Amino acid sequence: EDQVTQSPEALRLQEGESSSLNCSYTVSGLRGLFWYRQDPGKGPEFLFTLYSAGEEKEKERLKATLTKKESFLHITAPKPEDSATYLCAVPTGGGADGLTFGKGTHLIIQP
Amino acid sequence: DSGVTQTPKHLITATGQRVTLRCSPRSGDLSVYWYQQSLDQGLQFLIQYYNGEERAKGNILERFSAQQFPDLHSELNLSSLELGDSALYFCASSDQKGGRDEKLFFGSGTQLSVL
Repeated sequence: EDQVTQSPEALRLQEGESSSLNCSYTVSGLRGLFWYRQDPGKGPEFLFTLYSAGEEKEKERLKATLTKKESFLHITAPKPEDSATYLCAVPTGGGADGLTFGKGTHLIIQP
Repeated sequence: DSGVTQTPKHLITATGQRVTLRCSPRSGDLSVYWYQQSLDQGLQFLIQYYNGEERAKGNILERFSAQQFPDLHSELNLSSLELGDSALYFCASSDQKGGRDEKLFFGSGTQLSVL
């Protein structure tokens, strides 16, 4: 069964303190690794899709990378508005569409 | 704004009752997904419809059912409600049928509280 595991569960950083979030996956034949951001009381919002090992994508202070077993979301010089839960997901597969999500990393950036 | 509309935003009901959650997908999107989010389980896939037909089922209880209408809006019906059904229910839509670059666009969710 495909699994997505995210760590840490929660992370508290000072404004400007860079760090990385981890997403490890066990998927037979990866068809994409997705990152979403979720703010309290809202639905997840798409950030990135990565398809092959070595691929990187950037958006403002966020950079996502992918290896054969895991993905990292690097946050550089974060600001308080980057506080959110970050979710990674893989295609559900097995004849089903849609995504299987990890439980997320709850990130808090303190001013 | 994702373009996906869910109503109601909040729903409070009692055990044993039945409720209906409604979702309007983004204009042009044919796929609708329902997810349940709880603190301990995270986002769990329930069911997917594509252009009016059920395409995939996830961890959906027999007490729950869904349908997608000709105008592509979808409803999730939850019956014989139990305390453990209290959760955030999200609808998402996409314009692809499980394609390589499928992105899901989520609504703001319905917060269900069963008392």
